[in-house]
Amino acid sequence: AQRVTQPEKLLSVFKGAPVELKCNYSYSGSPELFWYVQYSRQRLQLLLRHISRESIKGFTADLNKGETSFHLKKPFAQEEDSAMYYCALHNAGGTSYGKLTFGQGTILTVHP
Amino acid sequence: DTAVSQTPKYLVTQMGNDKSIKCEQNLGHDTMYWYKQDSKKFLKIMFSYNNKELIINETVPNRFSPKSPDKAHLNLHINSLELGDSAVYFCASSTRQYGNTEAFFGQGTRLTVV
Repeated sequence: AQRVTQPEKLLSVFKGAPVELKCNYSYSGSPELFWYVQYSRQRLQLLLRHISRESIKGFTADLNKGETSFHLKKPFAQEEDSAMYYCALHNAGGTSYGKLTFGQGTILTVHP
Repeated sequence: DTAVSQTPKYLVTQMGNDKSIKCEQNLGHDTMYWYKQDSKKFLKIMFSYNNKELIINETVPNRFSPKSPDKAHLNLHINSLELGDSAVYFCASSTRQYGNTEAFFGQGTRLTVV
């Protein structure tokens, strides 16, 4: 069964400090991984996906199949990065195609 | 113009009542979902419909019944509401094109059962 684990429920950093939100997964197939973000009073939205290998709002995430990880990183955190972050794995196979399995979420707080 | 819209945004009701939450998407997606976010902010899929056909039905009490009149709408009806049903319910939609499976979420419906 697929599973996504985010070990940190809460993460606090100061503005300008590096930040890393951890995500580990277990999946028997070839994973398709995402980071979703929910800012205060806004809807859940896609931040980035591993296929795109892009940097969004200064965030990057590299899929490490050996360590089954997809950690989210940003070298210099900003106050506007404060939000709830979810790591998600997309089930690309069989009848469960489209299903997203979410981690427990990490609340990031960036202090001034 | 909202992509995925849910109504109502807030719903407070008594135990035992029956209630519905509506969801509509104007993105032309063929797949829609219902997710439940519990008090610990854990998000879990409940149902998925593709072109009006149920394709995912997680272990959800049969008091919950989704209905998809067309591929742009996926409503959630809940019978005999219980205290434990209190949560935020999110509707979402996506395509089934590999590599382009971004899910677009509604703003959520906060259900409180008293």
